[in-house]
Parts: sequence; C-alpha cells; structure tokens
Amino acid sequence: ETGVTQSPTHLIKTRGQQVTLRCSSQSGHNTVSWYQQALGQGPQFIFQYYREEENGRGNFPPRFSGLQFPNYSSELNVNALELDDSALYLCASSLVGGRADTQYFGPGTRLTVL
Amino acid sequence: AQSVTQLGSHVSVSEGALVLLRCNYSSSVPPYLFWYVQYPNQGLQLLLKYTTGATLVKGINGFEAEFKKSETSFHLTKPSAHMSDAAEYFCAVSGYGGSQGNLIFGKGTKLSVKP
Repeated sequence: ETGVTQSPTHLIKTRGQQVTLRCSSQSGHNTVSWYQQALGQGPQFIFQYYREEENGRGNFPPRFSGLQFPNYSSELNVNALELDDSALYLCASSLVGGRADTQYFGPGTRLTVL
Repeated sequence: AQSVTQLGSHVSVSEGALVLLRCNYSSSVPPYLFWYVQYPNQGLQLLLKYTTGATLVKGINGFEAEFKKSETSFHLTKPSAHMSDAAEYFCAVSGYGGSQGNLIFGKGTKLSVKP
C-alpha cells in the first residue's frame, strides 16, 4: 500500500510568483486536505477536496486554490506569493473526510519565499 | 468555535521517565480528538484518536491518552520514555458543520529525552 506522497520536497520562489504543489493520496482514499505549517506552529487547515469538489475551506485568501483529479490526486496553487507564505505545506488523505476519519499525512513540501 | 491548547511548548524528560503531554480542548459539540507525532523533516503520524466509547485510548509506540469531558482534556502519556520518542507532538480536534473533517491543531509540544 502506497502512502501519501508530495512533490516537490523543497521549493524556493520570489515574492509575486505563483507555485503549484502536488499530492498523491493513499490508495482507496477519495478525500484530500491541505494544511500550512508555519515554523514553530501547528498545521492550519487550508481546504479539503472530496470527489473533485471543494468540501470546506479555512481562513485563507482566494489566491490559495486547489484541484482534485479523477484519480484523487490533488494540487495546491498559490498566486502572488507573499513572504508569509513561507511554510511547510502538508497534504493529508482520508477515506471519506468525515469527522472520525484518520487523516494520513505526506512528508510535506517546504516552500521558501524570498 | 473549536480550539486546542497544548500546555508547554517544550517538555524534557529522562530516558525511562514518565511522559505527560497536556492537551485541553474547546468544542460546542462532542469532540473527536487526535494525537499526532512529527519527527524532524517529516509529515505527521497518527498516534491515537478518540471518537466515541472507551475514554482511555491506546495508541502506537506505548502511548495512551484519556478523554476527560469534565476537564475538557485529552492528555498523552507514556510510562517510560525512549530516546526515539524525541519529536514534536500535536493534539487536534476535528471540525464540524462547514468545516467537517478538517483538523484544528494545537501549537505543538516538543519532547526531548535525555539519556
């Protein structure tokens, strides 16, 4: 059974640029959630996708957007990067996205914005 | 609104000593609670979770946690610390309503284990 994978591992961008992060969910999971973890903080929920539809969103501006594909993999896109976007971005997959569901996390993508 | 508070950003114990990491939550609905561990440069791994039923929950690597509704707590314990337990630990509560299925995390507690 393949776990959650993310790419790339690290990324360096400059302010104002755009970035796309990718996530492959665990086999059999149809829900993907994205989190931002700033240095020294706990992860913060960005949004969740269930069967290709956005199924909840945290307190993040519209320049954070996402997609989920028919194979349940997912992308996180961030436009007009700001310095504060520097963080570890975590993807998590779960069976159906319910409250009791366990979320399985990938290793993350470390984004640095200069 | 739901929230999680982890008391102590850094806890240090000696190898073989009891590990106690504190977590208090706030929730207007019956909470579903989770403990995750994060090793350096890695993602989060589930240690244990409470949904319903038995309030003492056993997890992986010898960890357990007890849900105490009257104290709104879900503290994590391990009787005897091992060097490999050194990591950051996060307590989380599951969202509900429009945010169903998302996790609300505390700020984390970094555990150090001294030889």
